[in-house]
Amino acid sequence: GNSVTQMEGPVTLSEEAFLTINCTYTATGYPSLFWYVQYPGEGLQLLLKATKADDKGSNKGFEATYRKETTSFHLEKGSVQVSDSAVYFCALRAGSARQLTFGSGTQLTVLP
Amino acid sequence: DAGVIQSPRHEVTEMGQEVTLRCKPISGHNSLFWYRQTMMRGLELLIYFNNNVPIDDSGMPEDRFSAKMPNASFSTLKIQPSEPRDSAVYFCASRGTGEGTGELFFGEGSRLTVL
Repeated sequence: GNSVTQMEGPVTLSEEAFLTINCTYTATGYPSLFWYVQYPGEGLQLLLKATKADDKGSNKGFEATYRKETTSFHLEKGSVQVSDSAVYFCALRAGSARQLTFGSGTQLTVLP
Repeated sequence: DAGVIQSPRHEVTEMGQEVTLRCKPISGHNSLFWYRQTMMRGLELLIYFNNNVPIDDSGMPEDRFSAKMPNASFSTLKIQPSEPRDSAVYFCASRGTGEGTGELFFGEGSRLTVL
């Protein structure tokens, strides 16, 4: 079946530190990959996505590259801000499936 | 666009009571999803509809849970009778027909507390 494994949190960083949140997946075929972000008290919002191997998704300074050879989609940001504090979810959509399969989420806290 | 609208935002009830959560998807979207979020189990897909028809309800935990979508602009998730272990945040999400990459748009969630 399809599954997403995320780096366990919580992750605590100082402002301007480099961020990596690891995500690996198992899926049939060639899935589309997503990172969603959930700010406190809110629903999930799409942060970035990639639909095929070697694609790089980027948004708000965050990046993730679809690596088929390692089945990974790690999220990175060069310099985090306090406002980036949130829960980050990696997700995939396999083939023609309508639903997304989510990882367990990683809580990020950025300290000033 | 108003986005996905859920109500109520917060619900506190006593064990044994009926709970009804409501969702209005984004206009024009033809797929609707109900997810449950807890600390222990993360985000779980409960059920999803396509063109108002339930496609996969394998995530519904037990018969106490039911979901309906009587038309394209409204869905309900009902728990009867409710139990303390049902306490969670319930999210509704929708997706349009043209969304080739599968992006889901989420509501702000309904936080349910069963005492």
